[in-house]
Amino acid sequence: AQSVTQLDSHVSVSEGTPVLLRCNYSSSYSPSLFWYVQHPNKGLQLLLKYTSAATLVKGINGFEAEFKKSETSFHLTKPSAHMSDAAEYFCVVSFRGGNNRKLIWGLGTSLAVNP
Amino acid sequence: GAVVSQHPSRVICKSGTSVKIECRSLDFQATTMFWYRQFPKKSLMLMATSNEGSKATYEQGVEKDKFLINHASLTLSTLTVTSAHPEDSSFYICSARDYTSQSPYEQYFGPGTRLTVT
Repeated sequence: AQSVTQLDSHVSVSEGTPVLLRCNYSSSYSPSLFWYVQHPNKGLQLLLKYTSAATLVKGINGFEAEFKKSETSFHLTKPSAHMSDAAEYFCVVSFRGGNNRKLIWGLGTSLAVNP
Repeated sequence: GAVVSQHPSRVICKSGTSVKIECRSLDFQATTMFWYRQFPKKSLMLMATSNEGSKATYEQGVEKDKFLINHASLTLSTLTVTSAHPEDSSFYICSARDYTSQSPYEQYFGPGTRLTVT
């Protein structure tokens, strides 16, 4: 069975400090993994994705994530938080369901950035 | 990049009426579109998968007679909430896949529609 767990529902950091948003997954197959960001009153935006290529994935806005198969993790990091990073972040695993590939969503991590 | 629009962005309707939400792929053809529902502070829940020219596939627990989905063209899918009730109030999000892109499994999301049923 496919599942994804975001270990923190809320993370608060100071501007300029590192960001770590944790995600663990469960998948019977080699997974495709994504991180999406949702700003208030805006659509979901893809930050980065892992699709069985390099295990360290670089995304937009300075974010990156490392796929660790032995730990079944795909944590999202950023070296230095910016105020504009405050948003809801979703870790997502993709799997094939029937004739279509479906997405399983984590419950989200709300990131607050303090000045 | 691929852009998906939704209309309306917000709608308020009275209990018992029906509401139609449109999802359009603006610069690509989408043979598959997805409809999600998002509750406050909650994750996205897939409601149904919409394939152009065929009946939508609904997830378990989603009433197909209540949430009517039509995907009549390669750029438009509609979700109609029939006989809406206050418990149908939610944020509805659509997404679309561009099979011609280098990432055919990537989904592009619309900005969402906030439905409030009074």
